[in-house]
Amino acid sequence: DIVMTQSPDSLAVSLGERATINCKSSQSVLYNSNNKNYLAWYQQKPGQPPKLLIYWASTRESGVPDRFSGSGSGTDFTLTISSLQAEDVAVYYCQQYYSTPPITFGQGTRLEIK
Amino acid sequence: QLQLQESGPGLVKPSETLSLTCNVSGGSISSNSYYWGWIRQPPGKGLEWIGSIYYSGSTYHNPSLKSRVTTSVDTSKNQFSLKLTSVTAADTAVYYCARHSNYGRPGGATPDYWGQGTLVTVSS
Repeated sequence: DIVMTQSPDSLAVSLGERATINCKSSQSVLYNSNNKNYLAWYQQKPGQPPKLLIYWASTRESGVPDRFSGSGSGTDFTLTISSLQAEDVAVYYCQQYYSTPPITFGQGTRLEIK
Repeated sequence: QLQLQESGPGLVKPSETLSLTCNVSGGSISSNSYYWGWIRQPPGKGLEWIGSIYYSGSTYHNPSLKSRVTTSVDTSKNQFSLKLTSVTAADTAVYYCARHSNYGRPGGATPDYWGQGTLVTVSS
């Protein structure tokens, strides 16, 4: 199985500031034939199921604010929130779908307001 | 609007079988664009993919759960189900059902629609 490791485990950022979450995969999730990274990001608020934010490493799901962006390739990826809003407080997970089954998730990064 | 709803017992005794059903509304489970799967989350912990099923009946499971998992689909009722045998306290979790985009990945790629989840506690 591909192991996904996120850093940091928790993060506190001031409102309006940039938040950056990192994700590293134990092997490349870049499929050379189509040059796509099989990597997604999710947001989970307390008491709610996870919500898909980004897939193909950088494609925002419909309705996701453009302050959320994804970048990276191969084994190293980043989720960036350009200007943190109060409603962005959540746990964020990365997930690979390059080698399935199983799909695998990172351990999560808790984002709070400083 | 697609909706998924889990149902089943909230309490299961150790060594018994956990059984859950996911009812899908607002869309057909008989689509070749999606897989239908299960993901769980122990209290205060991260996400673990359990398995998924295609409308044709093809199944895919997490090897970590070995042979304890069975998934099935009932297209006439637009629902799919999970059975997990020989449960222990370690199986206590919120269980989510979710639609998975296909993207040509065996078992599915990205869970994009989720149920609200149901807490299953394993205890005598």
